[in-house]
Formats: sequence, structure tokens, C-alpha cells
Amino acid sequence: EVNLLQSAAELKKPGESLKMSCQASGYRFTDDWIGWVRQMPGKGLEWVAMIYPSDSDARFSPSFQGRLTISADKSTNTAYLQWRSLKASDTAIYYCVRPIYSRGYYFDRWGKGTLVVVSS
Amino acid sequence: DIQMTQSPSSLSASVGDRVTINCRASENIRVYLSWYRQRPGEAPDLLIFDAASLETGVSSRFSGSGSGTDFTLTISRLQDEDFATYYCQQTYTTPITFGQGTRLDMK
Repeated sequence: EVNLLQSAAELKKPGESLKMSCQASGYRFTDDWIGWVRQMPGKGLEWVAMIYPSDSDARFSPSFQGRLTISADKSTNTAYLQWRSLKASDTAIYYCVRPIYSRGYYFDRWGKGTLVVVSS
Repeated sequence: DIQMTQSPSSLSASVGDRVTINCRASENIRVYLSWYRQRPGEAPDLLIFDAASLETGVSSRFSGSGSGTDFTLTISRLQDEDFATYYCQQTYTTPITFGQGTRLDMK
């Protein structure tokens, strides 16, 4: 069974850094992309980024490019999303997703989400 | 970016009803469209991909149709667990984009 296990909730101050994780199991990690979707409080879904662990090819939404780093560790089947300097507007739930290619990439598995609260 | 617009933004229905949710793309996306359900407090889950293909394990009460710019999700014989928010998503090109969501409440 495919499972995406996300790291625990985080409470951070503006300007602090953050690295969240998503450990995949139940499938060959290097065969598929893995990515992230943001949901701000009371709002809809936004695609953030995705990475192909086999060669670290990464794709970003222009809305997030430049502020985030995405990486993957093949030895632990874990993907990471990292901020150098958080803002209050980064407060959201971040879902780890597995993009599957058919006609484009749809997300067939979702983690339970990591809540990030950025507040002074 | 391709804009996805859902209608209505919210609707009320009763157990056993049949409901339809619409999704319009700002340009032709062929059949590159998926639908998700998000129950309160939970992560979304995939219902339909490629506009009309039912994800494994999803009830046949859900069906999708459409191509080009106009798409529809139909839920027949509503059950308690269907009262949730529904999102469409275009998978034609990056950035991947979602509709704003349709909230389905119990009447």
C-alpha cells in the first residue's frame, strides 16, 4: 500500500528557516515524481512543486519559484521542501502528493498534510 | 497560467439526490482534467482522472464528462460521506492549476 508520511506541524517566526519531509513507502521511490500542494487557511489548493527522485529534475509553480528548495533522498525514500526565510503568508497546510502521469500529472496519493504556522 | 472556474461555488442537497458540478478551463485542455473530494479536516482524494476515468476504489456513483474547456462531475445517490468540497484540476500544462472549489452541504 502506497503511503506518504509527512513530518509534524511547525510553529515558526518570520525570517526563520524550515525543512519539512515526506517519506514514501509502498512503491519504488525512484519510479515516480513526488510533490507538494499548499492549502492556505480556509482556501483552495495550489500546486507548489515536484521532483523526480531518480535524477532530481524539479518543477516549480512560478508563484513559488525562488523561495523554496525541493530535494529527495533516495537512500531514505524521503522528499523535502525547504524555506530559507519564512513569511506570515507561508502559513498553510502543505500536502505531499504523488503525481502520476497519464494525460498530464494527476495526484493519486496524498499525505495527511503538515501544518505550518508562521507568527511573531 | 490556465484558469479553472467551478460553478456553483456552493450547493445544498439531500441524501439520495443527484448533483452536478461544473468546471471551465480558460483554454482548451482536451481531457487533461481530474476531480478531487476533500472532506472537512482531511486531505483531498482523487475521484476522476483524464476527465472520465474512475480512480480505482472510488464508487461508481461518481462520473466525469467533458472535453476542451467544459467539464462536469456528477454524483448520484448522495451519501453522507459525499458532503465535502470538490476541486477540479487541469493537468494539461504546468503550472498545474485547480478550480476554486465547490462546497456541497447537506440541505
